[in-house]
Amino acid sequence: GALVYQYPRRTICKSGTSMRMECQAVGFQATSVAWYRQSPQKTFELIALSTVNSAIKYEQNFTQEKFPISHPNLSFSSMTVLNAYLEDRGLYLCGARGDAETLYFGSGTRLTVL
Amino acid sequence: QQQVRQSPQSLTVWEGETAILNCSYENSAFDYFPWYQQFPGEGPALLISILSVSNKKEDGRFTIFFNKREKKLSLHIADSQPGDSATYFCAASVRNNRIFFGDGTQLVVKP
Repeated sequence: GALVYQYPRRTICKSGTSMRMECQAVGFQATSVAWYRQSPQKTFELIALSTVNSAIKYEQNFTQEKFPISHPNLSFSSMTVLNAYLEDRGLYLCGARGDAETLYFGSGTRLTVL
Repeated sequence: QQQVRQSPQSLTVWEGETAILNCSYENSAFDYFPWYQQFPGEGPALLISILSVSNKKEDGRFTIFFNKREKKLSLHIADSQPGDSATYFCAASVRNNRIFFGDGTQLVVKP
């Protein structure tokens, strides 16, 4: 079956430092990867959509300079939160999609900023 | 403008009852509607989905009813179990394009 592994599950970083999270698709080829942030109220914010061999498209309020994303092949993607501050707290979710419509999510990376 | 809306925000039912979760959407071009189930501390997991060419989709105790004309759909959970307690998200997209999520319905099933 299709699975998405995301790690780390949780991370704590000091204000102003950076952290990287990774996402691996197993059992299918992740032609596109969407990175979301979920607020404590459960609202989904799309950060960016990455399609292999295409430019990464960032949503309003999110930039490559703050959230650089790598999607080098059909099984792996990573995202870094640079200079994290309190407002960057939340559950970061990686969603990967193959040729079908289904978006499979990883378990998320919970970011705490001190 | 929010593309997908869900109601109620929270729902409590007794074990064995049918839970009904509602969803509506704005874009008449949406043709793919997945429902995700999320437990605390976990990522969302695909529960069941429907395409706009159908008006009903069943998978065990879970049924989606879809009304294209009214741009509404609902998820019915029959014989609800305490283990069904979770947050349920309705989502919508034009196939293979960006998926828009609702804000979720938090379901509590009391034994």
